[in-house]
Amino acid sequence: QTVVTQEPSFSVSPGGTVTLTCGLSSGSVSTTYYPSWYQQTPGQAPRTLIYNTSIPSSGIPDRFSGSILGNKAALTITGAQADDESDYYCVLYLGSGISVFGTGTRVTVL
Amino acid sequence: EVQLVESGGGLAPPGGSRRLTCAASGFTFGPYWMSWVRQAPGKGLEWVANINEDASEKYYVDSAKGRFTLSRDNVKNLLYLHMNSLRAEDTAVYYCAKGRTPIYAWGQGTLVTVS
Repeated sequence: QTVVTQEPSFSVSPGGTVTLTCGLSSGSVSTTYYPSWYQQTPGQAPRTLIYNTSIPSSGIPDRFSGSILGNKAALTITGAQADDESDYYCVLYLGSGISVFGTGTRVTVL
Repeated sequence: EVQLVESGGGLAPPGGSRRLTCAASGFTFGPYWMSWVRQAPGKGLEWVANINEDASEKYYVDSAKGRFTLSRDNVKNLLYLHMNSLRAEDTAVYYCAKGRTPIYAWGQGTLVTVS
């Protein structure tokens, strides 16, 4: 069974930069997995941040950016703000109609 | 504005059934893949199922195969998830979502408790 891995947690200072990654238990992530990123604050529905590796969803601040770094998809927050404190999930499309969410990363801004 | 409103959640006994409905508005429903994503209490997000524009393709997470059935009504702009043989591990908030990969918009979710 394919597992999509993310760091469990990250801490970033206000105004700082943090890069979250999204990997595969076996193999490398590329654009052909159409990586996308979602933000969720406790008790709220998720919000779409980035899709197709690096395309920002409508209304998303430009401090959020997506890329491929090495063999993983990556989400970078540049100039972190207090309200960026959330859980972040990536999704990879594995083909044959199947998508898998990553394990999620909790970001703390302090 | 895109709106996805889920209903049908509630308490169900183990082995029971539940039908979730998602009412879509603010966009042209027919041309889009639609999905259900769930989140068990205190856990991460899990893709459950998706359905293509004309319901000719449907895909399910392994744990839902044979128990859950996805359907849609493109005239009424409704998405359904029929859940049978419910298990305790199906307890979760179920989110209706526009799209497949990526998901373009999310509903607020409906809680299903199997107990």
